[in-house]
Amino acid sequence: GAVVSQHPSWVICKSGTSVKIECRSLDFQATTMFWYRQFPKQSLMLMATSNEGSKATYEQGVEKDKFLINHASLTLSTLTVTSAHPEDSSFYICSARDPFRTGKAYEQYFGPGTRLTVT
Amino acid sequence: GNSVTQMEGPVTLSEEAFLTINCTYTATGYPSLFWYVQYPGEGLQLLLKATKADDKGSNKGFEATYRKETTSFHLEKGSVQVSDSAVYFCALSDPPGGSSNTGKLIFGQGTTLQVKP
Repeated sequence: GAVVSQHPSWVICKSGTSVKIECRSLDFQATTMFWYRQFPKQSLMLMATSNEGSKATYEQGVEKDKFLINHASLTLSTLTVTSAHPEDSSFYICSARDPFRTGKAYEQYFGPGTRLTVT
Repeated sequence: GNSVTQMEGPVTLSEEAFLTINCTYTATGYPSLFWYVQYPGEGLQLLLKATKADDKGSNKGFEATYRKETTSFHLEKGSVQVSDSAVYFCALSDPPGGSSNTGKLIFGQGTTLQVKP
């Protein structure tokens, strides 16, 4: 149980275009999802916390108008990178919490990640 | 602010060797501590955790003990296998019910483990 999927697994887009990444909890309802960014050989940096039905909370230094997050249902959150530029190329990872899982309400379950390359 | 520091990699070991990956943390209060593993091409998986001082987390032969006096959570395994080759991340989070209870994870930089047959 506690499976999180991401789609697409990789995407290449041209500079100036927008790209949407989906994060789904497949077998549980996730009231909270997190979006991370991982640079090569570096750690995961939290970008934002997404709560179902409310606005996302962005970490300091993350442009909310550039990285649009929508969490419209208990099983789906989306990250849209708007007007992408080569410096946005990265590995984007989401995670989700299952608040109803006994003893594990605060554990995060991670998706496999999405590799974004902006040319 | 809270932070996690891991030993730099890559760590290269022969099969059946003893593994230690050091992790120290800086935090206010009493965070929960985690080790995550990322196998090639896959997402992060929780390997083990500890939620209070002196707790020992264990899974798949890996162990780590929450040492508050040294603010450490070192990962150990007595005999590594080729299949253990992966990137290992140490992380901390605010404890449930804490004043800043967001459940956010703060990760170390990751340590790559390569096990040779």
